[in-house]
Amino acid sequence: GQQVMQIPQYQHVQEGEDFTTYCNSSTTLSNIQWYKQRPGGHPVFLIQLVKSGEVKKQKRLTFQFGEAKKNSSLHITATQTTDVGTYFCAAASGGSYIPTFGRGTSLIVHP
Amino acid sequence: DVKVTQSSRYLVKRTGEKVFLECVQDMDHENMFWYRQDPGLGLRLIYFSYDVKMKEKGDIPEGYSVSREKKERFSLILESTSTNQTSMYLCASSYRGRTEAFFGQGTRLTVV
Repeated sequence: GQQVMQIPQYQHVQEGEDFTTYCNSSTTLSNIQWYKQRPGGHPVFLIQLVKSGEVKKQKRLTFQFGEAKKNSSLHITATQTTDVGTYFCAAASGGSYIPTFGRGTSLIVHP
Repeated sequence: DVKVTQSSRYLVKRTGEKVFLECVQDMDHENMFWYRQDPGLGLRLIYFSYDVKMKEKGDIPEGYSVSREKKERFSLILESTSTNQTSMYLCASSYRGRTEAFFGQGTRLTVV
């Protein structure tokens, strides 16, 4: 099936530093979603991007969808310890509604 | 709020035993999914269902089967467990034609 590559696998930051995770596909995507999984928890839907070049913000989180709809990023400004967790992108293409998940980026925030 | 409930949080089974993992959602979602999550591998799709009695194989269906007799319930069956099926199993559901999924709390299965 479709592959979605997500980098980095892990990211250590000091509290207050910024963080970015990237998601890339070799095929054009219909949409992309972002999920957050807290340690010991389950993935929770954060947002969906659909339009080419779309940018959405949720407080300190900024989500972008590339112009070619083949990549996306999640940027967190001034990380806090509550941001700790694994962030997954998930994408669908070709009219499918079945999301394919990236392997996730685990964010570790040091106080 | 959407609620997706999995029957067990933790299970320990012996090799060769049969296991049923149950999942129930209360939002009348048409689509339901079973994923397994392993460190460094992310979420991999085992099976999904888009309607009652309908099922489709995902990326890693070998060693698993599913059942969907009612719209709200999707069961994952491991006929004869093996140690390589030790994993976190996550159920999810979504509306028809929508990709955003709602997950259950997960079942951590250990096969010894």
